[in-house]
Amino acid sequence: QVQLQESGPGLVKPSQTLSLTCTVSGGSISSGNYYWSWIRQPPGKGLEWIGYMSYSGGTYYNPSLKSRVTISLDTSKNQFSLKLSFVTAADTAVYYCARVGYTYGPDYWGQGTLVTVSS
Amino acid sequence: ETTLTQSPAFMSATPGDKVSISCKASQDIDDDVNWYQQKPGEAAIFIIQEANNLVPGIPPRFSGSGYGTDFTLTINNIESEDAAYYFCLQHDNFPLTFGGGTKVEIK
Repeated sequence: QVQLQESGPGLVKPSQTLSLTCTVSGGSISSGNYYWSWIRQPPGKGLEWIGYMSYSGGTYYNPSLKSRVTISLDTSKNQFSLKLSFVTAADTAVYYCARVGYTYGPDYWGQGTLVTVSS
Repeated sequence: ETTLTQSPAFMSATPGDKVSISCKASQDIDDDVNWYQQKPGEAAIFIIQEANNLVPGIPPRFSGSGYGTDFTLTINNIESEDAAYYFCLQHDNFPLTFGGGTKVEIK
């Protein structure tokens, strides 16, 4: 059974960089046919796709966030990471990591971690 | 970008009821819609793949239907454990987008 777990600071100051890590167990991020992805949900709002990275190095970022987002993989630790720069209060959200099949969409999700942007 | 309009946002059901949740797409997305169940503090669970395929291990009281722009999640003989937040997702085009979600309460 694949499991994903998000970790990182729960509070980030405005204009700083939000950094989160997703640790994957029960499967390798080096295996093909998957994208490793981040999604977020601001309080009281809907889910928003942030982007993904594949083991082959391909990336896709939501155009609305593209200029501020970097997703990377660390195969030695079986983890992948999200960095979101120049955050504002609008970036306050529950952040989820997920595994996405090439042909069928997300199949496994983490339980999410709340990140608050505040001074 | 494809917009998914999900309804209702909230519903209350009695054990044994049949409930249906709608997800309408702003453009034709074939059958590239998935449904998920999420309970507070837990990871979302993948329940329906490609509009109408039950994910292995999910109880058969869950079913999905639809193609193109109109999709439905149906729960037959709903049970108390089905109280949760349900949402649809389209993976036909990028960025992937989500329905607004439905909170299902069991009386």
